[in-house]
Amino acid sequence: DTAVSQTPKYLVTQMGNDKSIKCEQNLGHDTMYWYKQDSKKFLKIMFSYNNKELIINETVPNRFSPKSPDKAHLNLHINSLELGDSAVYFCASSQGWTSGSIYNEQFFGPGTRLTVL
Amino acid sequence: RKEVEQDPGPFNVPEGATVAFNCTYSNSASQSFFWYRQDCRKEPKLLMSVYSSGNEDGRFTAQLNRASQYISLLIRDSKLSDSATYLCAVNIGNQGGKLIFGQGTELSVKP
Repeated sequence: DTAVSQTPKYLVTQMGNDKSIKCEQNLGHDTMYWYKQDSKKFLKIMFSYNNKELIINETVPNRFSPKSPDKAHLNLHINSLELGDSAVYFCASSQGWTSGSIYNEQFFGPGTRLTVL
Repeated sequence: RKEVEQDPGPFNVPEGATVAFNCTYSNSASQSFFWYRQDCRKEPKLLMSVYSSGNEDGRFTAQLNRASQYISLLIRDSKLSDSATYLCAVNIGNQGGKLIFGQGTELSVKP
């Protein structure tokens, strides 16, 4: 059983297009995240949602708009794609977000490899 | 100074070797610490949480030194299958659960 799943796995698109990535977790977790891993493999938080509410927006351009229809799903919509958006986008989830190791343990989806041409 | 820094690597070791990775963090308010393993073109997978008293899971031992603000990961009796990039991650606490990752250390175990 897949714990955290993302679609699509690969996304190749032209500059200026709008695209969405979907994420679902079946772990019963309350908190979900989007991370971006660039070509240098550096993994950086973008957004965090707890039970459908945004709790982190890590100075991401407003072309990126996350949406959480329920606590098991977190989607990412990107408008007007730019070359610099090319990266791997990982969704993750955790039991919660307050301090305490168990609650913070985050489990990652397989990633969406976005290439903007 | 980066918030979380790791040994640059790559580490090339023979099978059976013991290898240690260090990771330093700059924010003394950091509360939770983790080691992740990432295989090429795959997602990071949680290897272990790091507890204040140190913890062990089979061949893997993680330690935390709050005074010096670093965590370490020791791998004993390295296997070929241990070849991967090892990422340390730190949670500051009360910042929405975000993990700050180090840049990763690549390990290559050779026969």
